[in-house]
Amino acid sequence: GQQVMQIPQYQHVQEGEDFTTYCNSSTTLSNIQWYKQRPGGHPVFLIQLVKSGEVKKQKRLTFQFGEAKKNSSLHITATQTTDVGTYFCAGRYSGAGSYQLTFGKGTKLSVIP
Amino acid sequence: DADVTQTPRNRITKTGKRIMLECSQTKGHDRMYWYRQDPGLGLRLIYYSFDVKDINKGEISDGYSVSRQAQAKFSLSLESAIPNQTALYFCATSDSANRPYEQYFGPGTRLTVT
Repeated sequence: GQQVMQIPQYQHVQEGEDFTTYCNSSTTLSNIQWYKQRPGGHPVFLIQLVKSGEVKKQKRLTFQFGEAKKNSSLHITATQTTDVGTYFCAGRYSGAGSYQLTFGKGTKLSVIP
Repeated sequence: DADVTQTPRNRITKTGKRIMLECSQTKGHDRMYWYRQDPGLGLRLIYYSFDVKDINKGEISDGYSVSRQAQAKFSLSLESAIPNQTALYFCATSDSANRPYEQYFGPGTRLTVT
């Protein structure tokens, strides 16, 4: 089946350092979403990217969708302890099963104060 | 999200038992989903429903069944629980008429099968 690969699995950063997580799909995505899950919490929707080459920003978070719509990244500038959690990408494919989201395995971010 | 509730929040059961997990929402959304989350594996879709009369299998439906009793209620059943169904289960909702791509997750049910 279709898979979305996400790296790294874990990332430990010093507070104030930047953080990036990457997602890749072997086939073209219709769109991609990003979610954040705090420790002990539930996933919370952050954003959806639809267009080839799209870049969106939310304060210190920058989301990109690749030109070929096969990869995406989330970059956090100057991390804070409130950024701690697991970040998931979730891709949607065209055609049969297009209503389903395929989640990456997530990147768990730890921020050392 | 407080508008999506799941019961129970924690459950320990024995192999072979039948168990039902319930999800209720007050968001007025028409679409509902069940996912399971295993450590290091992300979330995988079990079933989804776009309205009361619509039920669809997801990626990992074997061993599970669902019932959409009303627009606001979507329950997940394990007819005969087995240990590898030990996981964190999330219900989610979305609104087909308004930002249909955005899913709202409940707090989760932690299920342990011994």
